[in-house]
Amino acid sequence: GDSVTQMEGPVTLSEEAFLTINCTYTATGYPSLFWYVQYPGEGLQLLLKATKADDKGSNKGFEATYRKETTSFHLEKGSVQVSDSAVYFCALSAGGTSGSRLTFGEGTQLTVNP
Amino acid sequence: ETGVTQTPRHLVMGMTNKKSLKCEQHLGHNAMYWYKQSAKKPLELMFVYNFKEQTENNSVPSRFSPECPNSSHLFLHLHTLQPEDSALYLCASSQAAGRETQYFGPGTRLLVL
Repeated sequence: GDSVTQMEGPVTLSEEAFLTINCTYTATGYPSLFWYVQYPGEGLQLLLKATKADDKGSNKGFEATYRKETTSFHLEKGSVQVSDSAVYFCALSAGGTSGSRLTFGEGTQLTVNP
Repeated sequence: ETGVTQTPRHLVMGMTNKKSLKCEQHLGHNAMYWYKQSAKKPLELMFVYNFKEQTENNSVPSRFSPECPNSSHLFLHLHTLQPEDSALYLCASSQAAGRETQYFGPGTRLLVL
């Protein structure tokens, strides 16, 4: 079945550091890939997405590129801020026989210190 | 109001109580979802509705009963829950079931005593 594996957390960085959160997936067909972010006490917010190979999703300084050859969708940001502290979830939606299922990774807790 | 809203935001209930969670989406979507988020576990999909019809029940115990009267509203009726059901319950919606992007509400934090 479909699965998403995320870099284990927690991750602690200083402000302005470079961020990478690794995400790899297993899926049949050609899934859409997503990064969601969850701030403390809130629900999930869509951060960015990519729907086909080599697509780059970007938002708020975050980027991720859909790499079919390595089945990866790593999240990057060049300079993190304290306000980026949150839990980040990688997810895929394969559609087809998987129907509407979004498969999530376990989440990576990011803490950014001033 | 825009997006996906959920009420109540917090709920404490005893194991013999009956309560309901409400979700409303203002995005014109046709698919709605219930997820459970427990500490240190991946998000679990519970139910999916597409055009008001339930299309997925992910082996959820019968003490959880969903209802979708129209494409904008989704309820989760709770009855004789267990302490292990304490979690954050998230509602989401999308244009249609499939590979469409899902948009989430803020969740209801449920504590079962």
